[in-house]
Amino acid sequence: QVQLQESGPGLVKPSQTLSLTCTVSGASISSGNYYWSWIRQPAGKELEWIGRIYTSGSTYYNPSLKSGVTISLATPKNQFSLKLNSVTAADTAVYFCARGIVIPPAFDYWGHGILVTVSS
Amino acid sequence: QSALTQPASASGSPGQSITISCTGTSSDVGGFNYVSWYQQHPGKAPKLIIYDVSNRPSGVSDRLSGSKSGNTASLTISGLQAEDEADYYCCSYTSSSTWVFGGGTKLTVL
Repeated sequence: QVQLQESGPGLVKPSQTLSLTCTVSGASISSGNYYWSWIRQPAGKELEWIGRIYTSGSTYYNPSLKSGVTISLATPKNQFSLKLNSVTAADTAVYFCARGIVIPPAFDYWGHGILVTVSS
Repeated sequence: QSALTQPASASGSPGQSITISCTGTSSDVGGFNYVSWYQQHPGKAPKLIIYDVSNRPSGVSDRLSGSKSGNTASLTISGLQAEDEADYYCCSYTSSSTWVFGGGTKLTVL
């Protein structure tokens, strides 16, 4: 059974960097036909796709987000991570990590989500 | 990229059928057959229930079905059961090579 688990600080100060890690079990992040994504949901708002990283390491980020997003792989640990620079209160949200399928395009496994609050 | 439009809530009695709509544009829902639906129970991870507009992953009940007409996709749940009470989100691939989600529909089984 594939499982994803987000971890990281639940409170980040404005202008600092938000850093989250997703630990994958039951599957290798090096497996073909998959990519790894971060998705977030501010309270009362819709889910927002942040970006993805393929097993090759290539990335693509949502152009609607301001710059400063980095997604990276930690293959030996079977983890991938998210860094979001210079956060503001608008970045307060529940952050999900998810496995994306290349074909057919969908997200087949998600983490439970982690609430990150940006506040001084 | 604007979010897809879903009704905030829906309800039905056990045994009834309900349909949840998901409206986008020709740049997302209408332009691709890459619409997926997710079910989320409180405190749980979202679960993929429909992909490619109308396909069900293995293990998903055949009471759930998906369809699309123009820029609107739909999720139909027939024979409502108490376990169907959850939040439902639609998602579509976009012409910007990104993904866009709906705002979610809270389904109540009366």
